Amino acid sequence: EAGVVQSPRYKIIEKKQPVAFWCNPISGHNTLYWYLQNLGQGPELLIRYENEEAVDDSQLPKDRFSAERLKGVDSTLKIQPAELGDSAVYLCASSLTPGGASGELFFGEGSRLTVL
Amino acid sequence: TQLLEQSPQFLSIQEGENLTVYCNSSSVFSSLQWYRQEPGEGPVLLVTVVTGGEVKKLKRLTFQFGDARKDSSLHITAAQPGDTGLYLCAGVSLPDYKLSFGAGTTVTVRA
Repeated sequence: EAGVVQSPRYKIIEKKQPVAFWCNPISGHNTLYWYLQNLGQGPELLIRYENEEAVDDSQLPKDRFSAERLKGVDSTLKIQPAELGDSAVYLCASSLTPGGASGELFFGEGSRLTVL
Repeated sequence: TQLLEQSPQFLSIQEGENLTVYCNSSSVFSSLQWYRQEPGEGPVLLVTVVTGGEVKKLKRLTFQFGDARKDSSLHITAAQPGDTGLYLCAGVSLPDYKLSFGAGTTVTVRA
C-alpha cells in the first residue's frame, strides 16, 4: 500500500514569491493534517481536515497561507507571499480516524522549503 | 508554548547504555503516542498508550503512561546506533481529538 506522498521534496524560492505543496494521503484516510516543522523541533499543526472540511485551522496564518482539500482526497498548501521565516519542512499526514487508540498518523517525507 | 514538555532536549550516549526520555504536561490526555523521526523522513509511530499506568514493551523499548495520564516516559535498554533519531511524544485531547506534539528529544547513540 502506498504511503502519504508529498511533492516537491525540496523547494528554494526568493522571498515574496508564491509556493505550493501537494499531498496525496493514504487511500481511505478521511483525516488529513498539514504540519510545519523546524529543524530539531516537533511538528506544529497548521490545519486539519475531516474529509473536505477544515475542522482546525486556528494556527494557520491566514494572511499568507491557504489550503484546500477538494473532494476530500488530495490537498494543497499555498504560501503567498513567502517570508524568510517560512523556511521549514512542511509535513503532510493522514489518519483513518481523528484520534484515540486507533488514531495513528502516517506522515509523508515532507517538503523542505528554503526562502532566500 | 508547548503543551507537552520533553526532556532532555538532546541525549548522546554510547552503544549498550540505557536512556530515558520524559514527556510531561499539566493537561490530561485521552491517549499518548510516541514517534521516532530520522533525518529527511516523516515521524513513524512507535506506540500508543491509552490507560493510566499502562506499560508497553516493544523489544528494547519500554513506554509508560502516568497514572493521571499527564506524563509518559520512554526507556531504551542497551541502546544501538539504529536507535538514533528524534523522539516525539504526542498527546490526544478530547473532545476534538486534537493531537499536540512535544518539541522532541534528539538521541544519538555512538558506536
